[in-house]
Amino acid sequence: GEDVEQSLFLSVREGDSSVINCTYTDSSSTYLYWYKQEPGAGLQLLTYIFSNMDMKQDQRLTVLLNKKDKHLSLRIADTQTGDSAIYFCAESIGSARQLTFGSGTQLTVLP
Amino acid sequence: SAVISQKPSRDICQRGTSLTIQCQVDSQVTMMFWYRQQPGQSLTLIATANQGSEATYESGFVIDKFPISRPNLTFSTLTVSNMSPEDSSIYLCSVQSGTSYEQYFGPGTRLTVT
Repeated sequence: GEDVEQSLFLSVREGDSSVINCTYTDSSSTYLYWYKQEPGAGLQLLTYIFSNMDMKQDQRLTVLLNKKDKHLSLRIADTQTGDSAIYFCAESIGSARQLTFGSGTQLTVLP
Repeated sequence: SAVISQKPSRDICQRGTSLTIQCQVDSQVTMMFWYRQQPGQSLTLIATANQGSEATYESGFVIDKFPISRPNLTFSTLTVSNMSPEDSSIYLCSVQSGTSYEQYFGPGTRLTVT
């Protein structure tokens, strides 16, 4: 079945790198996504990766995918206070476009 | 990317009443979805809004409670019927075009049922 798991909380110092982890159980995952949700706001698509890729980089964001271990990570370089938010990973399965979300990781950036 | 608006942005409703939420996209999109985010929780898919046909509901959600319309490729509505306090959530629409796997979300409608 579909199950996406994330740790609930992460705290980092401003300027450090943040690594947010996600595991999923369905090996049929096609695309994996990272979204950011700030307080009182909707979801902002940060990046997504096709399941046959190992890595994707976009400015300060690096996504790593280990398909064998069904593990996805989002690395944020030079983390800033504006990066404080909840980060959700999500997967789509096969040809379906619906997303299954993880529980979200609350990232707190400390000055 | 698509620009998505939702109306209303928030509402406080009484138990037993119904609320219709509108989702408008600035371009034609193939897929439109409705999600619910209960307080402090993650997102759960309610249904896929199909243009010109009945919506496809996920397990635990039924048409009588959450009727959905999608009259064209840029607009959809979700009605939350006969509301109870358990329906207090953020309701979000999302869209995806046929050629891209990018999925974008609207700003959400924050519903409180008293």
